Amino acid sequence: GESVGLHLPTLSVQEGDNSIINCAYSNSASDYFIWYKQESGKGPQFIIDIRSNMDKRQGQRVTVLLNKTVKHLSLQIAATQPGDSAVYFCAEQRTLETTGANNLFFGTGTRLTVIP
Amino acid sequence: DVKVTQSSRYLVKRTGEKVFLECVQDMDHENMFWYRQDPGLGLRLIYFSYDVKMKEKGDIPEGYSVSREKKERFSLILESASTNQTSMYLCASGEAGRLTGELFFGEGSRLTVL
Repeated sequence: GESVGLHLPTLSVQEGDNSIINCAYSNSASDYFIWYKQESGKGPQFIIDIRSNMDKRQGQRVTVLLNKTVKHLSLQIAATQPGDSAVYFCAEQRTLETTGANNLFFGTGTRLTVIP
Repeated sequence: DVKVTQSSRYLVKRTGEKVFLECVQDMDHENMFWYRQDPGLGLRLIYFSYDVKMKEKGDIPEGYSVSREKKERFSLILESASTNQTSMYLCASGEAGRLTGELFFGEGSRLTVL
């Protein structure tokens, strides 16, 4: 069956190091992906997105890489800070054939802990 | 600042009670969503709506219904709450159209069913 987000459940990094969070997807027709960050007690917040016609997209301290050949997505955080501690989700946009309506299918998430 | 507001942060209900979770967004978004979040399972889509009075089942609609009478408001209804519906419920809204998938989430409603 289809799946998004074969994450490791937890990742610990030292403050200042770079973090890499991985995500796999199985639907080769997927054409739009988003990374979300969820801090404790809050709803998920958008970090960065990427469309399938791109391999890489950069934001402020974050980079998303998309490898369509192996259906793999990663989020890289440079110089990780304590404020980066959160759960990170990748999400895949899916479209209903009947109505064209879009929704997002989320992975199970990776908890990033930054060690001071 | 854009906002998605969920009416209750914490609720405690008894098995068999009817539960209403309300969500309001102020961004004039066409799409609204209800997810539940459970440890190790991530966010799972219950229902979504792409227009007033329109709804679509998500991945886990059983035991739930929804109502969207106005564009800004999307309600999740548990007709007869059960203990396996104890969870964090997240409402989200987003613009219509493909490749505009960014969703804005509320802070969640934690429901405990005893």
